Amino acid sequence: AQKVTQAQTEISVVEKEDVTLDCVYETRDTTYYLFWYKQPPSGELVFLIRRNSFDEQNEISGRYSWNFQKSTSSFNFTITASQVVDSAVYFCALTDRPSSNTGKLIFGQGTTLQVKP
Amino acid sequence: DTAVSQTPKYLVTQMGNDKSIKCEQNLGHDTMYWYKQDSKKFLKIMFSYNNKELIINETVPNRFSPKSPDKAHLNLHINSLELGDSAVYFCASSQLGPGNTIYFGEGSWLTVV
Repeated sequence: AQKVTQAQTEISVVEKEDVTLDCVYETRDTTYYLFWYKQPPSGELVFLIRRNSFDEQNEISGRYSWNFQKSTSSFNFTITASQVVDSAVYFCALTDRPSSNTGKLIFGQGTTLQVKP
Repeated sequence: DTAVSQTPKYLVTQMGNDKSIKCEQNLGHDTMYWYKQDSKKFLKIMFSYNNKELIINETVPNRFSPKSPDKAHLNLHINSLELGDSAVYFCASSQLGPGNTIYFGEGSWLTVV
C-alpha cells in the first residue's frame, strides 16, 4: 500500500537555524512522484516541489533544498537559515498508483514548523 | 488572478442544514478534486472529476454530492450536515497524467454547530 510518513509532528527552531523535515514513503510502484506542499497560517496549500522516481538529483531553490534517496525511500526537505515566514505546516505527498492515472495524492501527516524570532 | 478559487471561505451552519461549496479553476486543467482536511490536519481525497466524469469516489457518505457542470468547475453539495463534517475542504485541479502537479485552492472552512 502507498504510505507517507512524516515522523516529526512539530519542530521549533530559532530564526537563522537550518532545519530538515523528514519524509519516508512506501510504494510498490517503480515509477512514482513525490511532492512537498506548504500550508502557512493563512491556510492555503502551496505547491513547493515535484520529483519523479527516476530523478535522484538533489534540488536547491534559494534557501530550500530537497534530498531524494531511493535507497532509504526518503525525500527530505531542508530549509537553510530559517525565517519566521517559514512557519507553516509542511506536507509530503506521493502519487497513488500512477498507473491508474487518477492523480490521487497520498499525504503524510504533516510537520508543523515554528520559527521563532 | 487566483488559479483555483473556492467560495465561501468560511461557513458556519447548523446541523441538518444543506450547504454548497463552489470551485472554479482557470488553469485549463481537465481534472478537479475535492480533498478534506480534518482537525488533525490530515488531508484525504474525496472526489476527482476528469472532463466532468467522476473518476474517484473515496467511500464518502452519500450526503456529499459533487457536481461538475464543466471541466473548469466542481461544486460540492452536502446534505443533512453533521458535526463530524466540520473540516477544511480543499478544491484542487491538475492536468490528468501520472505525477502532474495538483494545485489547490485556498480552502473552505466549514463549521457545523
